[in-house]
Amino acid sequence: QVQLQQSGPGLVKPSQTLSLTCSISGDSVSSHSVAWNWIRQSPSRGLEWLGRTFYRSRWYNDYAGSVKSRVTINADTSKNQFSLQLKSVTPEDTAIYYCARTFGYIDYWGQGALVTVSS
Amino acid sequence: QSVLTQPPSASGTPGQRVTISCSGSSSSIGSNSANWYQQVPGTAPKLLMYNNNQRPSGVPDRFSGSKSGTSASLAISGLQSEDEADYYCASWDGSLNGWVFGGGTKLTVL
Repeated sequence: QVQLQQSGPGLVKPSQTLSLTCSISGDSVSSHSVAWNWIRQSPSRGLEWLGRTFYRSRWYNDYAGSVKSRVTINADTSKNQFSLQLKSVTPEDTAIYYCARTFGYIDYWGQGALVTVSS
Repeated sequence: QSVLTQPPSASGTPGQRVTISCSGSSSSIGSNSANWYQQVPGTAPKLLMYNNNQRPSGVPDRFSGSKSGTSASLAISGLQSEDEADYYCASWDGSLNGWVFGGGTKLTVL
């Protein structure tokens, strides 16, 4: 059974960097058949995919066009984790952030973390 | 505005059958599978249907899925009060190179 446990601050100031980590149990971040994603949900934007990282003999990343200039997703194989960094945040980035696994489809989700951008 | 289009609401009485639609494009549902998620407020979405019509283990066979062209549908038969939740469709979009979602349908059991 795959479990994803998210961690990170719930409050970030405008213009700063939002950082979240997702710890994986029951699978490996460097598994060849899956990808590791970040998705957010807000009343104004609904569910929005932010990007993914995956390993296929080397690491690959894909990012959503809406955040491509501000987002970085990295994997840490020593801790079996992956992380999200979103820089230069504004109140529009206030949302519930989820980490999730894809195995052809999004099958496992983290518990979600509300991140508020406010001074 | 979401890439996939769903009706914002649906309703039915216990025992009824309801259907939720999801409209996409040639680069999303037209070329890739549709997947469905159930979300109870305050919790993460839960996989309900994958590859258009496949149910994960534990999902009752009251739930069924279909796809035709650039649209997909989720049907719930024998509606129960516990089915009251938000339902989202999702698909990979080859043009956007990313996952796209519907805006969600709030199902009310009257």
